[in-house]
Amino acid sequence: RKEVEQDPGPFNVPEGATVAFNCTYSNSASQSFFWYRQDCRKEPKLLMSVYSSGNEDGRFTAQLNRASQYISLLIRDSKLSDSATYLCVVNRNTGFQKLVFGTGTRLLVSP
Amino acid sequence: DAGVIQSPRHEVTEMGQEVTLRCKPISGHNSLFWYRQTMMRGLELLIYFNNNVPIDDSGMPEDRFSAKMPNASFSTLKIQPSEPRDSAVYFCASSPRLGSLDSNQPQHFGDGTRLSIL
Repeated sequence: RKEVEQDPGPFNVPEGATVAFNCTYSNSASQSFFWYRQDCRKEPKLLMSVYSSGNEDGRFTAQLNRASQYISLLIRDSKLSDSATYLCVVNRNTGFQKLVFGTGTRLLVSP
Repeated sequence: DAGVIQSPRHEVTEMGQEVTLRCKPISGHNSLFWYRQTMMRGLELLIYFNNNVPIDDSGMPEDRFSAKMPNASFSTLKIQPSEPRDSAVYFCASSPRLGSLDSNQPQHFGDGTRLSIL
């Protein structure tokens, strides 16, 4: 079993739709969590950190459920430019930042 | 500001050849990470350095892989001899500090090196 698991997709949605991605992690000692975005043939870039109380950044909302070891990302009012692969990332926190990446969920937003 | 700079952007070589990938982290960042990305396995951490010292190389696949960081502004990842299964995109990333109190520091990635071993 992978340490971080995501549905690979692709999720095909029309512009303006709301879409949600989920991610589960197996290491209960994980302390910090992130969503990164990766465009085709580009490098990963930090989208947002995920906090225990949940957090929002514009159209993006991230949630964390420690009991279920589950992370989610909600995108409202999807734009064409949101098309990308979204990587769920967990920090093992072994005293140093050791990130474990999921294989990503691909989102395609169409006109 | 200049981001993480990697070279070469693309490398195609025959199996058995030595391959050297280069990385210049963002100035002032003292943590550096090497990752490998494939379709099957996603993004995997190979090794990371703090203040030029290798902290964890448990992700290095085998003895054919080695990494060095001779100074704060330069790191190399070497594969010798290379094999077709080493074909992947290799990313270098850096972050400002490394430590449990800074676990939310973002990592900044370079553009990657696309490596093809024939």
